[in-house]
Amino acid sequence: DAEITQSPRHKITETGRQVTLACHQTWNHNNMFWYRQDLGHGLRLIHYSYGVQDTNKGEVSDGYSVSRSNTEDLPLTLESAASSQTSVYFCASSDPSGGSYNEQFFGPGTRLTVL
Amino acid sequence: QKEVEQNSGPLSVPEGAIASLNCTYSDRGSQSFFWYRQYSGKSPELIMFIYSNGDKEDGRFTAQLNKASQYVSLLIRDSQPSDSATYLCAVKDTGNTGKLIFGQGTTLQVKP
Repeated sequence: DAEITQSPRHKITETGRQVTLACHQTWNHNNMFWYRQDLGHGLRLIHYSYGVQDTNKGEVSDGYSVSRSNTEDLPLTLESAASSQTSVYFCASSDPSGGSYNEQFFGPGTRLTVL
Repeated sequence: QKEVEQNSGPLSVPEGAIASLNCTYSDRGSQSFFWYRQYSGKSPELIMFIYSNGDKEDGRFTAQLNKASQYVSLLIRDSQPSDSATYLCAVKDTGNTGKLIFGQGTTLQVKP
């Protein structure tokens, strides 16, 4: 069955370190998204991609970067981790041919703590 | 800034009652609307999609859309303790971007 996976599931790091969160999907979806979820803020879009070599900034992109070298993977990098980036991170993908339907499928999430 | 607003709750209902969850959105051009359910510690999963004005029913769930009032709601009939979760309203961004704009979610508690 097609799926979307994230690793690691839990990560503790120190302020100033570079951290990369992995996202891998086997849906063969062109669209991929990274969100962070904090209490009281719902899901906020960090970065997204419509295909290989395409990346775009979302509403909370400062301090984060992504790269898309193939269809399956969209790793999220925190260049210099800050305590404000302690959060739960979700990756999602969708099929752009879905038209108005456009369901996004979510990975299991990564809980990141920055000390 | 396009916004999707939900009451964060918690909304508490007794088992067997109807739970009513509400969502408003700011972009009048929005066409597609989604309800996701998220259990504590888990990822969101889609439970309802609606794009036409009126009601759409799926089992115990009914989504209601009123584009003139920019309002979408989710009714859960015969609420069960297993329905206790956070419900996220999402609106598809206009301009065919593929993005969804999420509300902050409403926490529902169904008490036995």
